[in-house]
Amino acid sequence: GDSVTQMEGPVTLSEEAFLTINCTYTATGYPSLFWYVQYPGEGLQLLLKATKADDKGSNKGFEATYRKETTSFHLEKGSVQVSDSAVYFCALSDAGSARQLTFGSGTQLTVLP
Amino acid sequence: NAGVTQTPKFRVLKTGQSMTLLCAQDMNHEYMYWYRQDPGMGLRLIHYSVGEGTTAKGEVPDGYNVSRLKKQNFLLGLESAAPSQTSVYFCASSEKQGTFLYGYTFGSGTRLTVV
Repeated sequence: GDSVTQMEGPVTLSEEAFLTINCTYTATGYPSLFWYVQYPGEGLQLLLKATKADDKGSNKGFEATYRKETTSFHLEKGSVQVSDSAVYFCALSDAGSARQLTFGSGTQLTVLP
Repeated sequence: NAGVTQTPKFRVLKTGQSMTLLCAQDMNHEYMYWYRQDPGMGLRLIHYSVGEGTTAKGEVPDGYNVSRLKKQNFLLGLESAAPSQTSVYFCASSEKQGTFLYGYTFGSGTRLTVV
């Protein structure tokens, strides 16, 4: 079945540091890939997405590139801010069973001033 | 611009009590979902619905029931609450055939404590 594996957290960075959160997936077809962000006490919000290989999703300074050859969708940001502190979830939707998202376990990011 | 609204936001139940969580969406989405979020467990799908009058079991359906009598509402019921059901519950919705392209829209969650 489909699965998403995220790097273990928590991740703690200083403000302006470079961020990478690794995400790899297993899927039977050609999935769409998503990153969601959850701020403290809130629901999940869509951060960015990519629907086919080599697509790059971007939003709020975050980027992720759909790499079919390595089955990866790593999240990056060049300079993090304290306000980026949140939990980040990688997810996929398989075209073969396109009714659901499969989520990774989430990565807690804390950015210190 | 309400999106997905969950009520209540917080609730404390005693073991054995029952309650219903309400999820309402105003985007005319066809698909709706209930998830629970527990520390270290990520998001786990409880039940989902692909249209009015339909429901289906997810990964962890035991102890929960759902109903989708109206397209805009998806109710999650706990008939006899147990401490293991202490969790944060999230509702989500998506367009028909839209999950692949657009993902979900989530509610802000219900924090339930069973004592």
